[in-house]
Amino acid sequence: QKEVEQDPGPLSVPEGAIVSLNCTYSNSAFQYFMWYRQYSRKGPELLMYTYSSGNKEDGRFTAQVDKSSKYISLFIRDSQPSDSATYLCAMSPPNDYKLSFGAGTTVTVRA
Amino acid sequence: DVKVTQSSRYLVKRTGEKVFLECVQDMDHENMFWYRQDPGLGLRLIYFSYDVKMKEKGDIPEGYSVSREKKERFSLILESASTNQTSMYLCASSWGASGNTIYFGEGSWLTVV
Repeated sequence: QKEVEQDPGPLSVPEGAIVSLNCTYSNSAFQYFMWYRQYSRKGPELLMYTYSSGNKEDGRFTAQVDKSSKYISLFIRDSQPSDSATYLCAMSPPNDYKLSFGAGTTVTVRA
Repeated sequence: DVKVTQSSRYLVKRTGEKVFLECVQDMDHENMFWYRQDPGLGLRLIYFSYDVKMKEKGDIPEGYSVSREKKERFSLILESASTNQTSMYLCASSWGASGNTIYFGEGSWLTVV
């Protein structure tokens, strides 16, 4: 079993829809949770960063962490064609500077 | 802005060739990483370094070696390239201790024929 599971999709939604992405994990020691966005043939760029449980909002993006269920989510409101990308979840425990990544979910927002 | 620069974006090499992938970061980060990314497998850590001349194996180090002679530069070496090493290679860096953001380069697409 992989340490981090992420539905690879692909996910196709119409412009303006809410996009919901999620990851589950098995290591209860994970404390830092991130979402990266990766455009085609580019490197991943950090989108959201959350420490421990709770919600974080940044513009149209909301990240949620539920440590009791070992489940994290990313919501994109009012999705735009420019949001079409692969979204990777990543996480790490304390005292470890390496990240464990999900396989990535490819999202297409149709105009 | 943090900048992680991978000097070669696209390479085509022959089986058995020695391949060097170079990475430079401009933020004085202690930690540097090499990942490979394959469809359906996500990002897998090859090697990382937490200081000059220090290195540790990641999840898939076989067939690779690394060099970090200067803090800002981290090189990935394929001693004898094979077709199963055809992939996208991503260099990354981060500052200090755990929980800090990892910044990625643009990636190097390597094809071994």
